[in-house]
Amino acid sequence: DVKVTQSSRYLVKRTGEKVFLECVQDMDHENMFWYRQDPGLGLRLIYFSYDVKMKEKGDIPEGYSVSREKKERFSLILESASTNQTSMYLCASSKGQVISYNEQFFGPGTRLTVL
Amino acid sequence: GQNIDQPTEMTATEGAIVQINCTYQTSGFNGLFWYQQHAGEAPTFLSYNVLDGLEEKGRFSSFLSRSKGYSYLLLKELQMKDSASYLCAVRNNQAGTALIFGKGTTLSVSS
Repeated sequence: DVKVTQSSRYLVKRTGEKVFLECVQDMDHENMFWYRQDPGLGLRLIYFSYDVKMKEKGDIPEGYSVSREKKERFSLILESASTNQTSMYLCASSKGQVISYNEQFFGPGTRLTVL
Repeated sequence: GQNIDQPTEMTATEGAIVQINCTYQTSGFNGLFWYQQHAGEAPTFLSYNVLDGLEEKGRFSSFLSRSKGYSYLLLKELQMKDSASYLCAVRNNQAGTALIFGKGTTLSVSS
């Protein structure tokens, strides 16, 4: 059974803290993605990665960075957390090639609150 | 730029049929996806269209017209468990396998 796991379901941090959100997939997928989901705004792409050590900016990369040192793991980093980064963060993965549908599989999400 | 529009909310009754529309504007279109997301859970894949026409999968069908930038998700024989958000997402050639999501349509099914 395919699986994407995220390190925490709920996280509370203080403004200015450095925050790491971890995502691991066991499907040997090349592509991994980080989204945030906010009421009324839907899912918005922050960063994605096609391969180890490679990253691409999504629609809203400001205030975030990512790390992909191993194929199965994709980390989202908030260098200095701010209250406007309070959100649900969803990680996803998919196969590498842009053929057929290659659906994205999502993790359960991390609800981050920044106080 | 890219833009995806879908209604914010819809309501329907058990056993009915509901159609959720999605219109999009994008360059280099390379597929449209529908996902279902129950409250507090991760989105799960429902359907994929890249060519014009209807794709049927049990109670769910999805339609695409590329010339009109239009898709719909059709849900038949509605059940209470179909109450969820339905997300339309588009892939384009410039973004590889990345998806751009609409804001989602929250469907409430009542008895």
